[in-house]
Amino acid sequence: AQRVTQPEKLLSVFKGAPVELKCNYSYSGSPELFWYVQYSRQRLQLLLRHISRESIKGFTADLNKGETSFHLKKPFAQEEDSAMYYCALRTNTGNQFYFGTGTSLTVIP
Amino acid sequence: GAGVSQSPRYKVAKRGQDVALRCDPISGHVSLFWYQQALGQGPEFLTYFQNEAQLDKSGLPSDRFFAERPEGSVSTLKIQRTQQEDSAVYLCASSLGVGQGNTIYFGEGSWLTVV
Repeated sequence: AQRVTQPEKLLSVFKGAPVELKCNYSYSGSPELFWYVQYSRQRLQLLLRHISRESIKGFTADLNKGETSFHLKKPFAQEEDSAMYYCALRTNTGNQFYFGTGTSLTVIP
Repeated sequence: GAGVSQSPRYKVAKRGQDVALRCDPISGHVSLFWYQQALGQGPEFLTYFQNEAQLDKSGLPSDRFFAERPEGSVSTLKIQRTQQEDSAVYLCASSLGVGQGNTIYFGEGSWLTVV
């Protein structure tokens, strides 16, 4: 069963415009949600996690249990935000960590 | 080490050949994960180790795939009789503890091409 859905494979926005990358999940337990980012030719790295409720590089994400969503938002996109973004879910046991198919974000100068 | 290290970074194998991919997790990390990432797809879970114990291998696609972590540190993913559909990036990840709340760190991946 698809646990994490990212409906947009590609997303382009202009520099300075707001950006929202969508993520929906399906899990009956209590999940832990993450956003990972992969810049060109680099490894996957953690951007943020829902339990921290922090803002990293201007990005925020709020877990909405009613809508089972964890959308990533940034009010003003920057060129250096261009990258691949993956939403991920970790199960109660912590043994399994599921990724969405990713959204490629391009910020147009 | 400073991060999760994987080798080889790139491997070209002829169909039918066996391959072994190595992962050196961050020192002291208890949890170790293997993922398969096909072109244009997100990483797909393969297997999970807690120390030397393989607690979950539900994601291994066939019995040609085998993973081990005999001493609870270095792990090897072995693929026997490789097929073209095995071509993918194989990612290893580790975390210090077990369960939620532990950050998972990824290696750069081993790029396997089966020809």
